[in-house]
Formats: sequence, structure tokens, C-alpha cells
Amino acid sequence: ELKVEQNPLFLSMQEGKNYTIYCNYSTTSDRLYWYRQDPGKSLESLFVLLSNGAVKQEGRLMASLDTKARLSTLHITAAVHDLSATYFCAVPTNAGGTSYGKLTFGQGTILTVHP
Amino acid sequence: NAGVMQNPRHLVRRRGQEARLRCSPMKGHSHVYWYRQLPEEGLKFMVYLQKENIIDESGMPKERFSAEFPKEGPSILRIQQVVRGDSAAYFCASSPRGQGNYGYTFGSGTRLTVV
Repeated sequence: ELKVEQNPLFLSMQEGKNYTIYCNYSTTSDRLYWYRQDPGKSLESLFVLLSNGAVKQEGRLMASLDTKARLSTLHITAAVHDLSATYFCAVPTNAGGTSYGKLTFGQGTILTVHP
Repeated sequence: NAGVMQNPRHLVRRRGQEARLRCSPMKGHSHVYWYRQLPEEGLKFMVYLQKENIIDESGMPKERFSAEFPKEGPSILRIQQVVRGDSAAYFCASSPRGQGNYGYTFGSGTRLTVV
């Protein structure tokens, strides 16, 4: 059974600081997704990582994927208050060499950025 | 291009009543997924459907829950004889294909409250 674990689960950051959220998963997958969720809202897609070594950046966020280590990171640079949200990684099920949309989500990392 | 449309946004049901949740995927998307999010938890996969077919229902409770995606019209998640434990946010996601090369787009969710 696929398990996805994030750490930390709670992250309190000062504005301007850097930090990394880690996402480990237990079975083979060649892709991984990061989402952001604000309280009471839906999930906003942040990154679609489709291969080993994939690195994507959007503003102050950068995500990477190491499929051999079964690890993805979400790096936050110079945090600002607007980044306060819950961040989820999600890994699709791989059946017969083909992944599909049965996603297993990590527990989520609640990020709070304060002055 | 409207995103994934879910309705209603909020639904209140008394114990024992039926709840019907609707999801219209993005235009051009033929794959629909339903997820449930309990308070303070991550999302859990429930069911994966294509038009007129259930592909994977491994996350659906064995009783009271059913899903369909007819040839015409939205996908429906139906919960019969609701209980307090069914109170949760139910999210629908869609994709153009099953493999997720473009990621998965989530709707705004239906927040079900059972009283």
C-alpha cells in the first residue's frame, strides 16, 4: 500500500526566512504533485513533477523530485505572509507501469508565516 | 473555460436523509475522481470514473455510498441514510486523461454537514 509522509506537519516561519518541506513516499512512482489549500477552500495546483530530477520554480517556491530516493522537496525562499496555507504532496497509483489519478496525499504541512 | 464545478457548495442533511453531490468536470476532461476530506485531515481517494464506467472504487465505503458518471450530465456522488461521520468536505477532480501529465484540477468542494 502506498504511503506518503510529509514533514514537518507544522511549520512556523518568520518572514524572509527559508525552509524546506519534505515528502517521502513508499512505492515506485515517476511523478508527484504539490497542492496548496487555504482554510475552507479547494486545492490549488502548484507543481506537476513528471520525472526523476524534475525541478520547477514559481515565485518563492521551488519543488524537486528524486524518484530513486522516493523524495520530493518544496523549498520556500524568503517567506512572506501570503504563503501561509496548508501544503500537500500527492502521489498517483502506479498500475502495470502506468500511473493514474488515484492520488495518495501526504498529511499536509500547515505553514504559518509571521512578521 | 470554467473549472471543475461542484454543487451545492454547502449541504446540510439530517441523519437518515440522502445526500447528492454533483460534479461537472472541466471541458474536455473525461476522467473524474472523488475525494473526501475529514476535518484537519488530508484528502482520501474514494472513486475514479470515466463516462459510464467505474474504474476504481477501492476507496468507497461498502454501504450507503455510490457514484456514477453518466453519458450526459455531471458525475453524482450519492450518500444514502447519512450519519454524523459522513460530515466532511467532498472534492471532485478531473483530468483529460488518466495519466496525470497535466495534473488534476480540483473543484471547490461540497461541505456536507449531517445534523
